[in-house]
Amino acid sequence: DAMVIQNPRYQVTQFGKPVTLSCSQTLNHNVMYWYQQKSSQAPKLLFHYYDKDFNNEADTPDNFQSRRPNTSFCFLDIRSPGLGDAAMYLCATSNGLGANVLTFGAGSRLTVL
Amino acid sequence: GQSLEQPSEVTAVEGAIVQINCTYQTSGFYGLSWYQQHDGGAPTFLSYNALDGLEETGRFSSFLSRSDSYGYLLLQELQMKDSASYFCAVWRGYNKLIFGAGTRLAVHP
Repeated sequence: DAMVIQNPRYQVTQFGKPVTLSCSQTLNHNVMYWYQQKSSQAPKLLFHYYDKDFNNEADTPDNFQSRRPNTSFCFLDIRSPGLGDAAMYLCATSNGLGANVLTFGAGSRLTVL
Repeated sequence: GQSLEQPSEVTAVEGAIVQINCTYQTSGFYGLSWYQQHDGGAPTFLSYNALDGLEETGRFSSFLSRSDSYGYLLLQELQMKDSASYFCAVWRGYNKLIFGAGTRLAVHP
């Protein structure tokens, strides 16, 4: 089945220790998104790629970076995680043909000690 | 900027009908979507309205009034498995989906 796969599902890191979360998709979608969701809050858009074009949200901290080496893969790098970065990180994709459906991965839950 | 408002919690009984309202303020509006999220799970798509009116998909319907910047999600014949959080979300342009804070629905026997 075509899907969006995130790894790892659970990540524990220490304060300040860099972390990379990965997302892969078999949907061949043009657009890939990273959202941050804290407990009982809305998913917050961090950035998205349309093909190789990177679109950063104005309020996304510089501590968060992303890479998309090819259509199928996208990475979220957190350079120096703080306690406030503990959250679920959701990857999603869309076909980029107009506002419609986002397909989400199961998420990566980040704990910062 | 943009803002979305929806109730934080709704409670209903099995078999009932519940309506979750959403009002929004945004520039570059391209449509209103609804997503369901069970605890610990990922959001899943429920519906999308680009034009005014009602869209029906099984037990779920969604309505949009662009002139009122208002929409709602209607859930009929509620089941226990419908207990989840429901998010309205606005498309700001073709490729940016911005979520509201979510409505937690609790369905009781």
